[in-house]
Order: sequence, then structure tokens, then C-alpha cells
Amino acid sequence: DAGVIQSPRHEVTEMGQEVTLRCKPISGHNSLFWYRQTMMRGLELLIYFNNNVPIDDSGMPEDRFSAKMPNASFSTLKIQPSEPRDSAVYFCASSWAGGSTDTQYFGPGTRLTVL
Amino acid sequence: EDKVVQSPLSLVVHEGDTVTLNCSYEVTNFRSLLWYKQEKKAPTFLFMLTSSGIEKKSGRLSSILDKKELSSILNITATQTGDSAIYLCAARTNNNAGNMLTFGGGTRLMVKP
Repeated sequence: DAGVIQSPRHEVTEMGQEVTLRCKPISGHNSLFWYRQTMMRGLELLIYFNNNVPIDDSGMPEDRFSAKMPNASFSTLKIQPSEPRDSAVYFCASSWAGGSTDTQYFGPGTRLTVL
Repeated sequence: EDKVVQSPLSLVVHEGDTVTLNCSYEVTNFRSLLWYKQEKKAPTFLFMLTSSGIEKKSGRLSSILDKKELSSILNITATQTGDSAIYLCAARTNNNAGNMLTFGGGTRLMVKP
């Protein structure tokens, strides 16, 4: 298996622009998580889906952030409009909820820089 | 609010030393405690601990959970420079719809030659 796939790997944009991050979870996994990591705040859970349904989005910073999972093999995290404080590494992770290990496997991350 | 705290924040040791990293948690509906190692890339999974008092080992790394004290430790013996990384612990909680993780702030370990 190729693991969790994220794109793009790096994104540089200007303040006010829309940014879309993409994630393809591991085939067969039924839970998907979006995280943001910064030096100041560490690793934060933004939102997670179970069977394509958003379960907990309490970590989403504000209305500028939105996430979708139209099917079991694809999810997007959108920021509109982007701001410099959104600069961070965004990780997507997937797992099989219901198994004995339930380990989350992380993608390589998208490094976002908002100028 | 769920909370996971790790200590120390950072640690500098020399090759061959033994280190102990600490993790404490206060969460609702606790299911398990996970340890991850993060170098320059995404976190990689090390251990998942569900039962109290049972040590898990992988080479020079070992970890144990104490549910009474709501804590876990990660031990690394005979440290090597390749062990330099940020070590993250996370408490897994579960509701009827699925699982989620609450991460600690991490311990930054530097192993000098």
C-alpha cells in the first residue's frame, strides 16, 4: 500500500487566496483525520471523519476552514481566505476504527506558507 | 477539556545514555495511549498501550501504561544519534461514532555523539 497520500507537499500563497489541501487515505480505512502542526501550538486535531461523515470539527479554527470527504478515498481541507497565521504543516491521517490497534497512519504533510 | 502533558519538554543526552520520557493524560472515555516518533517528517507509530502494567518493547524502546496514575513512560536504552527526534504521546478516546486522539506537546530528544 502506498500509505496516506497528500498533495501538494508544499504550498506558498498570498494572503487572501484560497488554498485546498488534498488527502487520499489508506484503502480500507474508515476514519480520516486532519491535523495542523506549528512550533507554537504543536500538533492539533482539526476535524475527523468516520465513514465519510464529519464527527468532530471542534478543532477547526474558524469559518475560513472547511473540510469535505465526498467518498471513502478522498478528502479536502480548504482555507478561504488564507491568512499568514495559517502557515503550518497540515497532516492527514487515516485508521480503521473498530480494530484492536486502531493506529493512525500519517501522510507526509503539506507545508503551507501564507505570505 | 481533554489534556495530555509531556515532560520534559526537551532533553540532551550522549550516545549510550538511557532516557525516560513521561506522559500524563486527563481525558474522558479513555481507550489507549499511543507513542509516536517524529523526525523531520510525519509522525511514525511506536506503541499503543491499552492495559495497565504490561510493558511493550521494540528493540531498545519500551513503554508502559499506568491507568491508576493516568500516565505512561517511554524508555530508550543505549541511545543513538538516530534516536534524536520529537516523541509524541496521544490519548485515544472513543465515542459511538469513532475514535480521536489528543496529543501532548512532545519531548524533543537530542542525542549527541
